[in-house]
Amino acid sequence: KAGVTQTPRYLIKTRGQQVTLSCSPISGHRSVSWYQQTPGQGLQFLFEYFSETQRNKGNFPGRFSGRQFSNSRSEMNVSTLELGDSALYLCASSLGGIAGTGELFFGEGSRLTVL
Amino acid sequence: AQSVTQLDSQVPVFEEAPVELRCNYSSSVSVYLFWYVQYPNQGLQLLLKYLSGSTLVKGINGFEAEFNKSQTSFHLRKPSVHISDTAEYFCAVSDPGNEKLTFGTGTRLTIIP
Repeated sequence: KAGVTQTPRYLIKTRGQQVTLSCSPISGHRSVSWYQQTPGQGLQFLFEYFSETQRNKGNFPGRFSGRQFSNSRSEMNVSTLELGDSALYLCASSLGGIAGTGELFFGEGSRLTVL
Repeated sequence: AQSVTQLDSQVPVFEEAPVELRCNYSSSVSVYLFWYVQYPNQGLQLLLKYLSGSTLVKGINGFEAEFNKSQTSFHLRKPSVHISDTAEYFCAVSDPGNEKLTFGTGTRLTIIP
C-alpha cells in the first residue's frame, strides 16, 4: 500500500509569490490534514479536510488555504509569501469519519524556503 | 483547549541504557494519545497510540508507553536504546472522533556510543 505522497519535496520562492503544495493520501483515507513545522513554533495545525469539506482549521491567516478533491487528494496554497512562511509543510491522511481514530499517517513533507 | 508538554527538549543517553521521555497533557475530556518519531529530513512515523483499554501500550522498535489518567501523563520508555533511535520524538493528543492532533514541542534523543 503506497504511503502519503507530497510534491514537491523542496522548493524556493521569493517574498510576495504564491505556492501550491500537493498531497496524495493513502488509498481509502478520506481525511487529509496539513501541518506547518518550524524550529521556533514546532508542529502547528493548519487545517483538515474530510470528503472535500474543511472540518477543522488552525490559527493561520487567510493567506493559507486548502482544498480537497473528490479523489481525496489535497492541495494547500500560500499567497503573498513572507519570510516567516519558510517551513516544512507536512500532510497527513487518516480514515476519518466514524472509523477514524485520530491516527495520522504522514508524508515526508514539502520544504519551502522563502527568500 | 488541549495542550501537550514535553519537559525535556534534549535527552542524551548512552547506548544500551534505558530511556524515558516525558509527556504531560491537559484536557478536560477523554483523549487519544500518540507518540511519533521523526528522523532527519523525514516525516513523522507513529510509534504507538493509546485509544482505550490497557494503560500500558507497546509500540514499534521496542518502545512502550503508559497512560496515567490521574497524572495526565503518557511517558515513553525503552529499556535499551540503540544508535538508530537517534531522532526527535513528539507526543500528541486528540479528541475521540476528531482528526486534529495537538503536538508537544518535541524531545531530541541523542544516543552516545
